[in-house]
Amino acid sequence: DAMVIQNPRYQVTQFGKPVTLSCSQTLNHNVMYWYQQKSSQAPKLLFHYYDKDFNNEADTPDNFQSRRPNTSFCFLDIRSPGLGDAAMYLCATSRGRNTEAFFGQGTRLTVV
Amino acid sequence: QKEVEQNSGPLSVPEGAIASLNCTYSDRGSQSFFWYRQYSGKSPELIMSIYSNGDKEDGRFTAQLNKASQYVSLLIRDSQPSDSATYLCAVNMFGSNFGNEKLTFGTGTRLTIIP
Repeated sequence: DAMVIQNPRYQVTQFGKPVTLSCSQTLNHNVMYWYQQKSSQAPKLLFHYYDKDFNNEADTPDNFQSRRPNTSFCFLDIRSPGLGDAAMYLCATSRGRNTEAFFGQGTRLTVV
Repeated sequence: QKEVEQNSGPLSVPEGAIASLNCTYSDRGSQSFFWYRQYSGKSPELIMSIYSNGDKEDGRFTAQLNKASQYVSLLIRDSQPSDSATYLCAVNMFGSNFGNEKLTFGTGTRLTIIP
């Protein structure tokens, strides 16, 4: 059974048109992460939540926002996607400090 | 200095041999270390975690940790073609605030097992 679910698996959006990616988990984990991964690169952390506490990476563009309305769900909003935002977006969860993170299947975003 | 460093490869290993993957990290305070496998176009899959100095074995996989040298490695014995993938080293690093830990990845090593 899938425990971290990302929707959609593939998303095509127009340049400048807002898009929202979603992530849900059935693990009741405290921490939820959003990573961006481009081809042949390491996953790059955009932000993460520790419970309700939001932690933004210093180099995450303002164009990227996130919401976590409850423990189970987390959303990534890209307000005005550019061509450079085309990537795989990965959601991961973990119980807390020093614990393993588990990934969803990812959402492949294409910007046209 | 990158926070988590790996040789990008590619690393080619004959089928049945031992594949050795290495990783160094910059944060001396890190307490937990992970190896993920990522097939092309897929998301990372956790294969090993290690928290204490020494070796940890799980089937054909052995993780090794040396905190003094800030070094973690992964050995894959009896390598199979299905082991061909990118292997990502990940380290939990702490920010200045309690609870502000973050899982930081290296760029990964691409491993090819040659039949």
